[in-house]
Amino acid sequence: GDSVTQMEGPVTLSEEAFLTINCTYTATGYPSLFWYVQYPGEGLQLLLKATKADDKGSNKGFEATYRKETTSFHLEKGSVQVSDSAVYFCALASGGYNKLIFGAGTRLAVHP
Amino acid sequence: EAQVTQNPRYLITVTGKKLTVTCSQNMNHEYMSWYRQDPGLGLRQIYYSMNVEVTDKGDVPEGYKVSRKEKRNFPLILESPSPNQTSLYFCASASSVRNTGELFFGEGSRLTVL
Repeated sequence: GDSVTQMEGPVTLSEEAFLTINCTYTATGYPSLFWYVQYPGEGLQLLLKATKADDKGSNKGFEATYRKETTSFHLEKGSVQVSDSAVYFCALASGGYNKLIFGAGTRLAVHP
Repeated sequence: EAQVTQNPRYLITVTGKKLTVTCSQNMNHEYMSWYRQDPGLGLRQIYYSMNVEVTDKGDVPEGYKVSRKEKRNFPLILESPSPNQTSLYFCASASSVRNTGELFFGEGSRLTVL
């Protein structure tokens, strides 16, 4: 079945460092791909999305490119801030679009 | 303010004592869904609803019930809770079944079953 695999965390970075969180997927057909962020004590929020191959989603300085050839959707940010500390979830929607399939999540901790 | 509201936010209960977690959205969304979040497993879908009176099982429906009598409400019912249902629960909604990837989430309900 469809699945999403994320790099294990936690990822610990200093402020202004470059961030990459890896995400790969397995799916039949042509899924849409998403990144969600969960700040402490809150629900998930949609961060960015891409609906077809080579699309680049971007928001709040974060970017991810839909790579069909490598079945990947890695999240990147050029300069992280303490306020980016959160759990990041990669997800895909496919087939009947009745649900999102989430990865296990990657915790990011950014220190001053 | 557009939001998904869940209650209670925190609950400790005992095995077998029926409980309901309420979920309400004020965005006139067609699609609603319940997820549970467990460490190392991400979020797994319990049930979903594509519209009023239309509900279906997700990946982990055992031990749960839902209903969708009104568009705005989608309660999650645990008829006889067990300790393996201790988890963090999220309700989510989307404007339509074509946009189920763009979910609006509630703040979560942390349930502990002793």
